[in-house]
Formats: sequence, structure tokens, C-alpha cells
Amino acid sequence: NAGVMQNPRHLVRRRGQEARLRCSPMKGHSHVYWYRQLPEEGLKFMVYLQKENIIDESGMPKERFSAEFPKEGPSILRIQQVVRGDSAAYFCASSPDQGGKTQYFGPGTRLLVL
Amino acid sequence: SQQGEEDPQALSIQEGENATMNCSYKTSINNLQWYRQNSGRGLVHLILIRSNEREKHSGRLRVTLDTSKKSSSLLITASRAADTASYFCATVNRTGTASKLTFGTGTRLQVTL
Repeated sequence: NAGVMQNPRHLVRRRGQEARLRCSPMKGHSHVYWYRQLPEEGLKFMVYLQKENIIDESGMPKERFSAEFPKEGPSILRIQQVVRGDSAAYFCASSPDQGGKTQYFGPGTRLLVL
Repeated sequence: SQQGEEDPQALSIQEGENATMNCSYKTSINNLQWYRQNSGRGLVHLILIRSNEREKHSGRLRVTLDTSKKSSSLLITASRAADTASYFCATVNRTGTASKLTFGTGTRLQVTL
């Protein structure tokens, strides 16, 4: 049973470009969470999705950021017109339900904006 | 201070010694979890303690929870060099619809030979 998969592992973008980060949850998991980690800091919640629904996006910046979790395929975190401040590690986690149980984290995507 | 703030920020000990890390939080919680992160890697779940539990053990790990003080501690006994990592506590709030984790800033543990 493969763990949470994220790709790419490293992504370099120039200012103004778009970044697309993918997350495939563990098999059987229908809940996906995205977190952002700035250097030397803890993880900050961004968005929580179930299949085809955004449940909580209270941690997501209002502009340029969007997330989806389609019926088929991975969850996508999309950042438009990236700026240097978007440089961070973005982690995806999945869980089988919403009951506050363990979230399983992927290896993360490290985004560098030049 | 932020929800889930760890103390100390950094800790350096020798192999074989015990390491204790503390975490404080602000809101009412459903549970509290501890995670480990090796440098440049993802997070690994260590242990979950529910709000109605006071102490929990897992191998060399011992976690306590004091809801009256809104604090938790993680004890690693007989530390090894492989325990070198950052350790984060994370809370799941009692209110709200989502089981999102609120992380602290972490304790960076260095275990030397």
C-alpha cells in the first residue's frame, strides 16, 4: 500500500509563472489536506478537501491560490503568478475520514521562486 | 504566541540521554499529536493522545497531556543519533468542521555520539 505521493518533489519557477503541485492520497483515503512550511517554521494549514468538494479553505490566500480534488485523479494545488514569498515546502496529507485521526503526510514539494 | 508552541526551540544531547520537549496550546482540543521531521523530508506521525487521556507510551516515547494547563510533553528515552530531527506537536481543535492540524514551530533535537 503506497503512501501519500507528491510530485514534483522539487519545482523551480520564475516570478509570474504558474506552479502546479500534485498529491495522490493513500489508497482508500478520501480526505486531503494541504499545508505550507516556510523555512525554519512549522506547517500551516491551507485547505481541506474531500472528493470534488472544498471543505475548509480558511488557510488559503484569497488570491492566486486554488485547490481541487477531482473525482478521478490527484489533488492539485495551483499557484498562479508566483512571487518569491511563495517559496516554501508544500505538504499534502490524507486521512480515511474526518474523525481527527492520524493524517499521513507525503514527502512534500519544495517550490523555489527565482 | 502561536497555538502549539514548542519549548525548547533547540535541544542538543548525547546519545543515551533522555530528551524532553514541551508544547503549549491555546484552544480546546480533540486530540494532540506529535510528529517528527528529518531535515528536508516529510512528517512522520509518532503518537496521538486524546483529550481525555493523560499519558501514553509507544516504545521509547512517552507523551503526557495536561488539558488544565493546555500543555503536553514528549519524552524520548535512551536517545539515539537517529533521533536527530525536528519534532512538532499538532492539535486538532474541538470546534470546527475540519480535522485540520495546527502545528507549533517545532523543537530541533540534535543527538550526538
